[in-house]
Amino acid sequence: GEDVEQSLFLSVREGDSSVINCTYTDSSSTYLYWYKQEPGAGLQLLTYIFSNMDMKQDQRLTVLLNKKDKHLSLRIADTQTGDSAIYFCAADSGGYNKLIFGAGTRLAVHP
Amino acid sequence: NAGVTQTPKFQVLKTGQSMTLQCAQDMNHEYMSWYRQDPGMGLRLIHYSVGAGITDQGEVPNGYNVSRSTTEDFPLRLLSAAPSQTSVYFCATRTGAGNQPQHFGDGTRLSIL
Repeated sequence: GEDVEQSLFLSVREGDSSVINCTYTDSSSTYLYWYKQEPGAGLQLLTYIFSNMDMKQDQRLTVLLNKKDKHLSLRIADTQTGDSAIYFCAADSGGYNKLIFGAGTRLAVHP
Repeated sequence: NAGVTQTPKFQVLKTGQSMTLQCAQDMNHEYMSWYRQDPGMGLRLIHYSVGAGITDQGEVPNGYNVSRSTTEDFPLRLLSAAPSQTSVYFCATRTGAGNQPQHFGDGTRLSIL
């Protein structure tokens, strides 16, 4: 079946940039998403990108998409302690109602 | 996560018991889905619905039933709970207009003993 992979952990210093990477296998994915999950909470949509775009910027967040390599990244500028959470990459597969999720990247921000 | 309400937030069951996880939304969204989240595996789609009276299976449907009699509600039923169904369950909804992203509830944490 289709798959989404991400690295499991990332540790950064407060104020630095964080880059979380994701690869996916379904070349027909139309939209790709980034969700944030804080401890004990649900998933919060951060941003998403249409597959015909290379880049999308939203305040401190920059999403880069390399459709040829099926590679997606999320850059968080000026990372703060409040950004500590698990970040999930997701791709639609077989229709807009079916999201395939990666296992999540745990971002730890230290002083 | 205003608009998507899941109940209960926590539940402990014994093996073999049945129960229903509730999901309600007040956004008039056509599409509703159930996912389960297990450690190290991300979220996996259980069942989904594209409108009242229409449901379909996702990636891991075995052991679960759903129905969609109204736009607002999409309950998930465990017929005979098993320890392998210990998980966090999330309901998600989205509007049918264009390809809008899914919005998630806060989840139900379920333990099967």
